[in-house]
This record gives sequence, structure tokens and C-alpha cells, in this order.
Amino acid sequence: KAGVTQTPRYLIKTRGQQVTLSCSPISGHRSVSWYQQTPGQGLQFLFEYFSETQRNKGNFPGRFSGRQFSNSRSEMNVSTLELGDSALYLCASSLVRDTDTQYFGPGTRLTVL
Amino acid sequence: DQQVKQNSPSLSVQEGRISILNCDYTNSMFDYFLWYKKYPAEGPTFLISISSIKDKNEDGRFTVFLNKSAKHLSLHIVPSQPGDSAVYFCAASAGNQFYFGTGTSLTVIP
Repeated sequence: KAGVTQTPRYLIKTRGQQVTLSCSPISGHRSVSWYQQTPGQGLQFLFEYFSETQRNKGNFPGRFSGRQFSNSRSEMNVSTLELGDSALYLCASSLVRDTDTQYFGPGTRLTVL
Repeated sequence: DQQVKQNSPSLSVQEGRISILNCDYTNSMFDYFLWYKKYPAEGPTFLISISSIKDKNEDGRFTVFLNKSAKHLSLHIVPSQPGDSAVYFCAASAGNQFYFGTGTSLTVIP
């Protein structure tokens, strides 16, 4: 069974631009969560989608948004990029959530110049 | 507000000895706890989990201990191997959201 895939793996953008990251979950998984990883901050929860609905949202500004499609694939968008948005963005999928194990993708490394 | 804390950013252990990674949490509503291992340039991979109704869970060389009264979680790796060198994250959940610690970088010295 293929794992979680994320595209692109690396991105370089400049301040003020916007970016869209993509995540394809493991086949059959319906829950997709997004995390931001920065040095010293660990993994910070962005949001979680289940059946095309955002079920939970972390403490991030409205510039961060996401969506999930009917095939469970998910996209994350960051508008008006700031230098502090440079981070590794990780996507994780699970069957339903709660006690289901989350499986992570390799991440997208975003650098904002 | 960091609800899950890993106060040791790094740990070095000799091969064959025990590695003990610690994690503290503040939210008494957390009912499920996990450990993930992360290698550079890869996403975290699930290692072991424990429900709040248990105080210990073993899987091969890995054992997780939960002390609910102290709000403390630990991961024991015995014996430690060089391939265990990675960053370890603990995570806790209550419902649909997981909270992660900042990670502990484990180095196992051959």
C-alpha cells in the first residue's frame, strides 16, 4: 500500500507570495491533518479534515487555509507569505482519527525569502 | 502554550545501554499517547502508543510508561542500537487533535 505523498518536496517563495501544498493520503484513509514543524517548536497542528470538512483547527492565522477533496486528497494554502512561514509542512493521514495511528508524509520544505 | 513538553532536546547513549526519553503534559483530558521517530528528510513514523487506561505498553525493544498522576510519559529503548539515532516526538490527544512535543534528538554511540 502506498504511503502518504506530498508535493512538492521543496519550495522557495518570496514574501507576499502565496503557496499551495498537496497531500495524498494512504488509500482508504479519510482523515488528513497538517502540521508545521520549525526548530524548537516541534510539530504545531494546523488543521484536520475528514470527509471534506474541517473538523479541527489549530492556532494559526487565517492566512493558512486548507481543503479536502472527495477522494480525500488535501491541499493547504498559505497566502501573503512571511519569512516566519519557512518550515517543514507535514501531512498525516489516518482512517478516522481519535486513536487511529497517523501516518506522515515526507513533508514539504518551504523557504520564504 | 505547549501542552506537551520534552525538556531534553538531546540525549546520547552508548550502544547496548538503555535510552530513556521523557515527556510531560499538562492537559488531564489527554487519553491517548504516542511516540514517533523522525529521521532527517523524512516524515515522523509511528513507534508505539498507549491508552490512558494502561500504564505500560511494550513492543520489542520499546516500552512506553505512563504515569497519569504525574502527567508523565517515558519511552525506554533496550538495548539501544545505532540505528535508533533519530529525533523522537511524543504526542498526546484528546478527541480529534494531536499535540506534539518539541522532540528529543537521540544519538546512540557505537
